[in-house]
Order: sequence, then structure tokens, then C-alpha cells
Amino acid sequence: GQSLEQPSEVTAVEGAIVQINCTYQTSGFYGLSWYQQHDGGAPTFLSYNALDGLEETGRFSSFLSRSDSYGYLLLQELQMKDSASYFCAVRDGTTDSWGKLQFGAGTQVVVTP
Amino acid sequence: DGGITQSPKYLFRKEGQNVTLSCEQNLNHDAMYWYRQDPGQGLRLIYYSQIVNDFQKGDIAEGYSVSREKKESFPLTVTSAQKNPTAFYLCASSPERTGTDTQYFGPGTRLTVL
Repeated sequence: GQSLEQPSEVTAVEGAIVQINCTYQTSGFYGLSWYQQHDGGAPTFLSYNALDGLEETGRFSSFLSRSDSYGYLLLQELQMKDSASYFCAVRDGTTDSWGKLQFGAGTQVVVTP
Repeated sequence: DGGITQSPKYLFRKEGQNVTLSCEQNLNHDAMYWYRQDPGQGLRLIYYSQIVNDFQKGDIAEGYSVSREKKESFPLTVTSAQKNPTAFYLCASSPERTGTDTQYFGPGTRLTVL
């Protein structure tokens, strides 16, 4: 089985930096993904880490430590439009469930002026 | 433009009625997925299909059924056996049959059962 844990909510002001942590337990690990979802909208893919280290994409960065079963998403120079839910996800590693993504419960990021 | 379409955006049904949610993609993706999302919660996998004419149950398949007769289409039927069907339903696709961590989502259908 798999489980992912992430904080339920984070609040920060515009221009600040926010880190969303994700710890996971999985039977087979291939990588950690992050998705963003605005209220009432569809999730959109943000980043994917298969190897240890930091991946940077503009204002967003994602980090993975496979030995610690831990990753985080870093949102820099926060903007009001970054207010959304952020989900971490891992792929099911069992052979008969290849292709399934398991999502965390999501972290609501609230950006205030 | 390539993408995933879901229709309708809002759907109301009476309790005890079956209802079918549409999902179409023109991305030429092999794999397609159906998720359910309840307020303030994450995505839970209902069914997924990695190839035409084949599909597997996800974590919460009871009360739902699907078909995959065409690569582009993956309709979901919410049956009367689903005890609490009111939710936001999301369809997704991904380009590789063997699994990928990048899934592309449709705009969703919000189902309300009265």
C-alpha cells in the first residue's frame, strides 16, 4: 500500500517563500510529482522528481530525498495567483497496478496581500 | 487544440438514476483515468485504462462502471449502487501505456444527486 502526508494548509504573504512538505510510504518508488489545482478547476502538472536533488522551474522548485522518503515543493516570490491546492503524488510500483498515481490529500496555499 | 473535454460541466440527477459522464481526448494518449474529488480532499482513483478494451478498478470502483471502446473516449457511469455520488469527477489521460507521472486533466463534471 501507499500513503502520502502533506500539511493541510499554509498561509503566507505576497512575495514570501512557502515550502510544502510531502512524506510518502510506497511499495515501489519511481518518482514524486506535484500538481496545482485552483478552486473548481482541473489539476495541472507542475514538476516531477525521480532522482535526489532539486529541480527548478521558474519560481517553483521541487526537491526529493529518496533515502528519507521525503520531498517538498518550494514556491518563491509568492503571487496572489498562487493561491491554490497543491498535491504530491507517487506512482504505484506494483506490477499489476502500473500507471496508477496515488495523490496526497493536498495543501491549501493561501496568499494574502 | 489538443486536450481533454468533459461534459457536462454541471449535472443534476435524482437519486436512484444512473448517469453517464463523458470524457474525450484528442491527445492520442494511451492511458485514461477517472478520479473523484470531494470537498477539501484529494483525488481518489475510480477506474483507469491503459489500452483500448481494457480497464482496471481503482481504489473506489464500487458503484461505478466504465468502457473503453475507442482510444479517445472513456465514459464513466455512476450507477444507483453508488451510495454517495455527489462529487466532482475528473478525467485524465497520460501518453504512455506503461505509466507516467504526468497526467493531463479535463475540466471536470460536478455531479449533484438530489
